[in-house]
Amino acid sequence: EAGVTQSPTHLIKTRGQQATLRCSPISGHTSVYWYQQALGLGLQFLLWYDEGEERNRGNFPPRFSGRQFPNYSSELNVNALELEDSALYLCASSFKRGRTDTQYFGPGTRLTVL
Amino acid sequence: GESVGLHLPTLSVQEGDNSIINCAYSNSASDYFIWYKQESGKGPQFIIDIRSNMDKRQGQRVTVLLNKTVKHLSLQIAATQPGDSAVYFCAERDPNQAGTALIFGKGTTLSVSS
Repeated sequence: EAGVTQSPTHLIKTRGQQATLRCSPISGHTSVYWYQQALGLGLQFLLWYDEGEERNRGNFPPRFSGRQFPNYSSELNVNALELEDSALYLCASSFKRGRTDTQYFGPGTRLTVL
Repeated sequence: GESVGLHLPTLSVQEGDNSIINCAYSNSASDYFIWYKQESGKGPQFIIDIRSNMDKRQGQRVTVLLNKTVKHLSLQIAATQPGDSAVYFCAERDPNQAGTALIFGKGTTLSVSS
């Protein structure tokens, strides 16, 4: 069974540009989560999508947004990029909504803002 | 701030030894905990989870112990191998959020020498 996939693997942008990151969940999973992992830091929750709706977001500005498509894949968009947005962006998926559903992670997209 | 953290940022062991990685959490209402392993350049990989109604759970070469009295979580790895070298994160389910986001600590880097 294929795991969570993310694209691109690496992305280089300049300050002020927009970045779009993509995620395909494990087949059968309906929830997708986005996390930011800055260098040397832990994972910070960004966004949670389930059944096509944004269910919750972390403490990030509105220029971080996304959506979930009918096939449950998801996009993360970061507008007006800033240098401190440079990080590994991780997507995770889980089978269903619920408080104890295990999240499985993809390999991440390394975003570098110059 | 973080509600989940690890006692030691690094742990060095010899191949064949048993490893113990510790984690303290601050929210007594947390009801679900997960250990992840993250190798360099990869996304976090699920190792084992435990619910708050349990004290211990065993997997293949790994055991998770939960002490709710002192809000402490540990991961024991038996017969540690060089392939176990990675950053280990504990995570708790955030009961204060409507969603199912996880809160991660900064991680413990496990180094296994032959």
